[in-house]
Amino acid sequence: NAGVMQNPRHLVRRRGQEARLRCSPMKGHSHVYWYRQLPEEGLKFMVYLQKENIIDESGMPKERFSAEFPKEGPSILRIQQVVRGDSAAYFCASSPLHAGNEQFFGPGTRLTVL
Amino acid sequence: AQSVTQPDIHITVSEGASLELRCNYSYGATPYLFWYVQSPGQGLQLLLKYFSGDTLVQGIKGFEAEFKRSQSSFNLRKPSVHWSDAAEYFCAVGADSGGGADGLTFGKGTHLIIQP
Repeated sequence: NAGVMQNPRHLVRRRGQEARLRCSPMKGHSHVYWYRQLPEEGLKFMVYLQKENIIDESGMPKERFSAEFPKEGPSILRIQQVVRGDSAAYFCASSPLHAGNEQFFGPGTRLTVL
Repeated sequence: AQSVTQPDIHITVSEGASLELRCNYSYGATPYLFWYVQSPGQGLQLLLKYFSGDTLVQGIKGFEAEFKRSQSSFNLRKPSVHWSDAAEYFCAVGADSGGGADGLTFGKGTHLIIQP
């Protein structure tokens, strides 16, 4: 059973460009979470999605950030008009239905904004 | 709102010595508690978790943790560390608000250094 997959692993963007980060959950998992990790910091929750639904986006910046988890295909975290402060590692986690709160993490996407 | 405090930013331990990493949480009800480990440039690996029941939980790689409700703590322990244990360790708390499992709240991490 493959783990959580994220791509790309590394992404470089110039200020003002768009960044798209993809996450494929583990097989059979219907819950997806996105977290951001700034240097020397722990992970900060951003958004929690189920198929075609955003359940909790309380950690998402109000502007430029959006997330989706379509019926088919991976979950996408989209950052429009990136700024240098968006440089971070973005981790996706997935969880099966009714598994309490155990989350399995992907390897992360490291975004660098030049 | 829930919060997690890991008071030790860095800890240095000699190989073969025992280890205890501290974690204190703030949450109104019984939380779900986790310890994750992160090696440089890698994702997070779950070491162990506490949902309910026995307050002493065993994890992978010889780690264990004890949930102490009275102290709001969930400290991670290992009787004898190995050089390969050098990594960043994160304590996290979660909840289930009824709509499904919520996002986790992480501490800032403890960087473990192993001396030969």
